[in-house]
Amino acid sequence: KAGVTQTPRYLIKTRGQQVTLSCSPISGHRSVSWYQQTPGQGLQFLFEYFSETQRNKGNFPGRFSGRQFSNSRSEMNVSTLELGDSALYLCASSFRGPTSEAFFGQGTRLTVV
Amino acid sequence: GQQVMQIPQYQHVQEGEDFTTYCNSSTTLSNIQWYKQRPGGHPVFLIQLVKSGEVKKQKRLTFQFGEAKKNSSLHITATQTTDVGTYFCAGPNYQLIWGAGTKLIIKP
Repeated sequence: KAGVTQTPRYLIKTRGQQVTLSCSPISGHRSVSWYQQTPGQGLQFLFEYFSETQRNKGNFPGRFSGRQFSNSRSEMNVSTLELGDSALYLCASSFRGPTSEAFFGQGTRLTVV
Repeated sequence: GQQVMQIPQYQHVQEGEDFTTYCNSSTTLSNIQWYKQRPGGHPVFLIQLVKSGEVKKQKRLTFQFGEAKKNSSLHITATQTTDVGTYFCAGPNYQLIWGAGTKLIIKP
């Protein structure tokens, strides 16, 4: 079956702009989590959605938001971009959530200039 | 809150030497998962350990889950260039809590 698909793969934005990233999970997976990864850093949890509801949220400012649609596809939005938002944004889908294995997409590399 | 500590941050080995990374959780885990991220890639699931004292092997990789279900280790025997990458452990709470990762570097 198809894996997790993230679009776009690369983005360059300027400070102050906003950006929307998309994630299509594996068919049948209802849990989608988003992570931010910066060079040399681990995975910083942003939020998790399950059946269109945000179940958990990490310690990120309100500029970071997300949503999940009825087909489990998820979007993540970052408003008023800052230079420090430059990172690899990873989406992971799983069948149940944190207790089951996560399947990652290839990520969206966001560069803010 | 719950934390998962992972050490070392880096390990430089000669090809053919062994590699070990350790994870310690501040709380008891229902399970622990291990992932590998190749340079420029995304994390890929390796294994999940559930039982206290569990040991699982995948070819040259040996995974252990501690008796108290608070610590875990990954040991690679006779490293190869294909093993290069960062190895992460993760334990579930309300979300997956990730260790910081151990980067395996093969010395030239």
